[in-house]
Amino acid sequence: AQSVTQLDSHVSVSEGTPVLLRCNYSSSYSPSLFWYVQHPNKGLQLLLKYTSAATLVKGINGFEAEFKKSETSFHLTKPSAHMSDAAEYFCVVINYGGSQGNLIFGKGTKLSVKP
Amino acid sequence: NAGVTQTPKFQVLKTGQSMTLQCAQDMNHEYMSWYRQDPGMGLRLIHYSVGAGITDQGEVPNGYNVSRSTTEDFPLRLLSAAPSQTSVYFCASSPEPGLAGSTDTQYFGPGTRLTVL
Repeated sequence: AQSVTQLDSHVSVSEGTPVLLRCNYSSSYSPSLFWYVQHPNKGLQLLLKYTSAATLVKGINGFEAEFKKSETSFHLTKPSAHMSDAAEYFCVVINYGGSQGNLIFGKGTKLSVKP
Repeated sequence: NAGVTQTPKFQVLKTGQSMTLQCAQDMNHEYMSWYRQDPGMGLRLIHYSVGAGITDQGEVPNGYNVSRSTTEDFPLRLLSAAPSQTSVYFCASSPEPGLAGSTDTQYFGPGTRLTVL
């Protein structure tokens, strides 16, 4: 079975400082992993996805994530936070189990950015 | 392309009422799904469809029905609304069912915020 655990429910950073949102995964298969972002009262937007190619994945808006098999992690980072990055972020794994191809979501990490 | 559209954006129901949440996509995607989002729970899968005429249950299907008569539309029906169904509902689509190895991106609609009193 596949699952993801987002280690922090809330992260607060100052504008211009680095962002680190942590995600650990569990998967019986070689996982396919995603990060989605949800701005307040909006739908979900794909930030980036890992497809077993390069372990360092670059996404939109300066975000990137590194797949580390030895640590079963897929942490999301950004060198310098902007106010517009304030949102909720979801780490997601594809479920290859009973519901084929569906997404399994982490519980989300709310990112606050202070001026 | 409009992408994935959902109507209504907001809805308030009384306990026991029924309603249908609409979802449509114009990308000719085979795969569509419905999720509900509750605070601190992430998104949970309600029902999904891998093509017209084919639907199946997800993690939290009780109290909801779906049908898929066309590729474009995937309505979600609440037969007798309960306060526990107060949530934000998202519809999503992707080109193919997520078969092993597939990493098709799922595209989400803007959501329907439902309150059941």
